[in-house]
Amino acid sequence: GAVVSQHPSRVICKSGTSVKIECRSLDFQATTMFWYRQFPKQSLMLMATSNEGSKATYEQGVEKDKFLINHASLTLSTLTVTSAHPEDSSFYICSARRGSGGAQDTQYFGPGTRLTVL
Amino acid sequence: GESVGLHLPTLSVQEGDNSIINCAYSNSASDYFIWYKQESGKGPQFIIDIRSNMDKRQGQRVTVLLNKTVKHLSLQIAATQPGDSAVYFCAENAAEGGSNYKLTFGKGTLLTVNP
Repeated sequence: GAVVSQHPSRVICKSGTSVKIECRSLDFQATTMFWYRQFPKQSLMLMATSNEGSKATYEQGVEKDKFLINHASLTLSTLTVTSAHPEDSSFYICSARRGSGGAQDTQYFGPGTRLTVL
Repeated sequence: GESVGLHLPTLSVQEGDNSIINCAYSNSASDYFIWYKQESGKGPQFIIDIRSNMDKRQGQRVTVLLNKTVKHLSLQIAATQPGDSAVYFCAENAAEGGSNYKLTFGKGTLLTVNP
């Protein structure tokens, strides 16, 4: 299967600081990437859809000014958590969609980034 | 943050037994379904998928069944091994507005395989 990487794998930061997480599609170009958040013992919740060259589409209840998404190239999307607070501590997972946007396109997931805000 | 008192459904089996993990989906317009395996601290790993025009698909040691009438998916794992221990999620792919496809994940089931 295709490879998607995330960096960093773990990050610990102080409350009020900003953290940037990178998601890279290593062996295919991805027009669309997705960002998910997962709290312990819970499912993945879609935060936003990242589209190369255009603005991200955020799910209801996700603050776009707090979770900044940039998809500047076909292989890189970044998520910046601004002014992080302890309640933002979570496991953030990205995925890259392979295909032209059809119903059976496959999403390949990154290994996740564990964010801990002190 | 985490919801207090929320627990994943669990399934505990003996090594070598067959496992069946069930999932109910919500959107009758979903036309593509995927099962993912997630080990602790890792991202989801693709296991098997099925399109809505099929009711069964087999892979290596895994079978997915789809019942669109009752909006139900199941994942069957044959001869379950300790390495199969993980959380299993079903996901449905549906489009908003006809073109913006995205995945919605089920709650997940924790499978524990006892040696």
